[in-house]
Amino acid sequence: GAVVSQHPSWVICKSGTSVKIECRSLDFQATTMFWYRQFPKQSLMLMATSNEGSKATYEQGVEKDKFLINHASLTLSTLTVTSAHPEDSSFYICSARDGISNYGYTFGSGTRLTVV
Amino acid sequence: RKEVEQDPGPFNVPEGATVAFNCTYSNSASQSFFWYRQDCRKEPKLLMSVYSSGNEDGRFTAQLNRASQYISLLIRDSKLSDSATYLCVVNRRSGGYNKLIFGAGTRLAVHP
Repeated sequence: GAVVSQHPSWVICKSGTSVKIECRSLDFQATTMFWYRQFPKQSLMLMATSNEGSKATYEQGVEKDKFLINHASLTLSTLTVTSAHPEDSSFYICSARDGISNYGYTFGSGTRLTVV
Repeated sequence: RKEVEQDPGPFNVPEGATVAFNCTYSNSASQSFFWYRQDCRKEPKLLMSVYSSGNEDGRFTAQLNRASQYISLLIRDSKLSDSATYLCVVNRRSGGYNKLIFGAGTRLAVHP
């Protein structure tokens, strides 16, 4: 079945530094990638939708200059949290339309970011 | 008001019990509906799609009522392994894309 590989699975960084999260589709071409954030005991909140070769579409309230998304190829999308602060600590998950599975969305395994 | 509302629980039930979860959604433009399961600190995984005619997958039965914008999930003969958070999810089109909108989830704890 379709697999999305997400790295790193967890990361601890100092306040003010930047962190890059990668999502790679292993056996299909991910034309569209969705990036979510989940705080404890809350729902997954869509941050942005990225399409290969074009600018990402950000949801209301998500700072595009803080959360940089690059989708330069059909198999790789990255999310960079710039100048991270403790309030950015969260669980970040990507999801791709795969056109293979019953419904069509495959999720990465998530990245737990802790900013200290 | 959240677009997808669920009772957060937790539902604490003994093995073998039957448990029902409910969910309501506010956007009538929602096109398709799902239940996902999420284990602690893991990604959500699709449990089943939900249709107006109702659908069953083993011990799990899902139902959609479009008129009242209500979705349900019934789990029969609960197992310890059913302990997880169950997410009600709707798919709707916005800004040219189909998007998944997640509820905050209902926590289920099955005990011996």
